[in-house]
Amino acid sequence: DSGVTQTPKHLITATGQRVTLRCSPRSGDLSVYWYQQSLDQGLQFLIQYYNGEERAKGNILERFSAQQFPDLHSELNLSSLELGDSALYFCASSPTSRANYNEQFFGPGTRLTVL
Amino acid sequence: GQQLNQSPQSMFIQEGEDVSMNCTSSSIFNTWLWYKQEPGEGPVLLIALYKAGELTSNGRLTAQFGITRKDSFLNISASIPSDVGIYFCAGLVNAGGTSYGKLTFGQGTILTVHP
Repeated sequence: DSGVTQTPKHLITATGQRVTLRCSPRSGDLSVYWYQQSLDQGLQFLIQYYNGEERAKGNILERFSAQQFPDLHSELNLSSLELGDSALYFCASSPTSRANYNEQFFGPGTRLTVL
Repeated sequence: GQQLNQSPQSMFIQEGEDVSMNCTSSSIFNTWLWYKQEPGEGPVLLIALYKAGELTSNGRLTAQFGITRKDSFLNISASIPSDVGIYFCAGLVNAGGTSYGKLTFGQGTILTVHP
């Protein structure tokens, strides 16, 4: 158990809908990262937040957005869903210590199925 | 953009054999990470490498940060059935002394161990 929690575990929805994925980082971690894993694209970085502020952005679609709240949990919002958005979505967090702040610990993921 | 080439794509070995896999990049990374992922779970961090030439062990696992900063290697000695899974390399470039989070992942090596 990495200490990173994600809900829900599974999500099934229809095209055009909007969903929210939730993540709680490990205790004490200020950085939260979101990744998408699909068979054709592999693991792709989406976005990073650090202590409530956006820090880095990857190949995240405009239909997707995220935020990190004062209690440090994060939410990834996916809207106008398409079939191709079906994937595993992972959240990760990293320590603040300079000794290991690059070490990202992943949650169990949310499997999104768009029908 | 940055790309990681991980090889081999898959390995079928007998219990007790040693395993080697590697990742190469067209770009320089400051940090190399190795993860293992099992079905239905998130990637689990195995080893983190921070310096060119660094050799780090974690039990039967040994990983090296290539001298050129463009490659990394993972070895598993005396494999056992529970080593089965997908192994990913990931590289990260720091900016300004902080982590900007954008882990770039290899395509993964699927390891199967026959008892």
